[in-house]
Amino acid sequence: GENVEQHPSTLSVQEGDSAVIKCTYSDSASNYFPWYKQELGKGPQLIIDIRSNVGEKKDQRIAVTLNKTAKHFSLHITETQPEDSAVYFCAPIRPGGSYIPTFGRGTSLIVHP
Amino acid sequence: GAGVSQSPSNKVTEKGKDVELRCDPISGHTALYWYRQSLGQGLEFLIYFQGNSAPDKSGLPSDRFSAERTGGSVSTLTIQRTQQEDSAVYLCASSPDRALNYGYTFGSGTRLTVV
Repeated sequence: GENVEQHPSTLSVQEGDSAVIKCTYSDSASNYFPWYKQELGKGPQLIIDIRSNVGEKKDQRIAVTLNKTAKHFSLHITETQPEDSAVYFCAPIRPGGSYIPTFGRGTSLIVHP
Repeated sequence: GAGVSQSPSNKVTEKGKDVELRCDPISGHTALYWYRQSLGQGLEFLIYFQGNSAPDKSGLPSDRFSAERTGGSVSTLTIQRTQQEDSAVYLCASSPDRALNYGYTFGSGTRLTVV
C-alpha cells in the first residue's frame, strides 16, 4: 500500500506568519492530492486539492504545490489567522484498484494571536 | 440533506454490548466510507461501499465489526461485544464517484465510549 508521511507533526506560528506542511507519498501512480482540515469536534473538511497535471493551485490564502518527480506535495497558508488552528491531513489517491486513500497522520497547526 | 449526517453524535456503552452507528450520505453520492479516529491519531480505514458492488471490508479490525448499506444510501456500522479499545470517533464520508477522484465529504462523527 501507499506510504504517506506528513511533516511537521506540529507547527506553531504567530498570527500573520506563513505555514507550510509537506506530504510525501510512495506510489508514483497517485494522481489526486487533497488536503483536509479538521477542527476540534468536527470531521475533516476538504480545503484544497490538486491533480497530477497541475503544479500549483491557489485559493485565497491557501495554496497547494505538487512535485511529482520527488513525490511530495505541500500545503501553504499565508497570513495565518487563529481560525486556521486545526489538524491538517493529506490523502493522496491513485487511480484504479480500491480508490481508498491513505491519510497522513496529520499536522497540528497552532496560530498564536 | 446538504451534508453527511451521522447519528448518534455521542454514544456511551458498556463493555460487551452491541452498538449501531448510522450514516446518511449526501444524496446521489455512490461512494461511502467508514473511518475510525482514536484520540490524537490519524484516520484508520474500516470499510468502503461503491454503488451496488461488494464492499471492501479490508480495514475492519475484527469480525465483531460489520457494516451494511441499504438501497445505496444509508449505512449502518455495527460493533458487537464492544471492548474498551473500540472507543474512538467513527467517521463516515461520501463521495460522488470514486473513479473521478473527488474529495470526500465527512460527517461530524460518532464519539463512542466503551466503559
